Amino acid sequence: DAEITQSPRHKITETGRQVTLACHQTWNHNNMFWYRQDLGHGLRLIHYSYGVHDTNKGEVSDGYSVSRSNTEDLPLTLESAASSQTSVYFCASSEARPSSYNEQFFGPGTRLTVL
Amino acid sequence: AQSVTQLDSQVPVFEEAPVELRCNYSSSVSVYLFWYVQYPNQGLQLLLKYLSGSTLVKGINGFEAEFNKSQTSFHLRKPSVHISDTAEYFCAVKTSYDKVIFGPGTSLSVIP
Repeated sequence: DAEITQSPRHKITETGRQVTLACHQTWNHNNMFWYRQDLGHGLRLIHYSYGVHDTNKGEVSDGYSVSRSNTEDLPLTLESAASSQTSVYFCASSEARPSSYNEQFFGPGTRLTVL
Repeated sequence: AQSVTQLDSQVPVFEEAPVELRCNYSSSVSVYLFWYVQYPNQGLQLLLKYLSGSTLVKGINGFEAEFNKSQTSFHLRKPSVHISDTAEYFCAVKTSYDKVIFGPGTSLSVIP
């Protein structure tokens, strides 16, 4: 069965370190997204990609970067981790157009703690 | 800017009782509306969606929601809840190509 996986599931790091969170999907979806989930805020979009070599900033992109070298993967990098980036991170994917709406499929999440 | 409001952050309800989780949105254009459910330590799953047509939408696990354009609401209901319905529920609005805006979530706790 197709799926979307994230690794690691839990990560503890120190302020200032570079951290990369992996996201891998086998749906062959063109669209991929990274969200962070914080209490009282729901999910907020960090970055998204509509295809290979395409990346776009979401509403909370500062301090994060992504790259899309193939269809299956969209790694999220925290260049210099800050305590404010302690959160649960979710990756999602969806088909591209022409459908008016394509359901997003979510990974299980990565809980990141920055000390 | 579009936004989604879920007025109730926590909703406790006894098992087999009915429940309504409220969702209101603001948008100047047509929207697609969704409810997602998140069980503990898991990602989000689509519960139901409204794209067009009938304003009453039925989803999985016995949930349904009604789109009310005049009140800009999309409340989620279930006539009889089970312990297994304990989860976080997120209302979401799609306003442009695949940019989904999520509400802050409502934590549903079913009491035995």
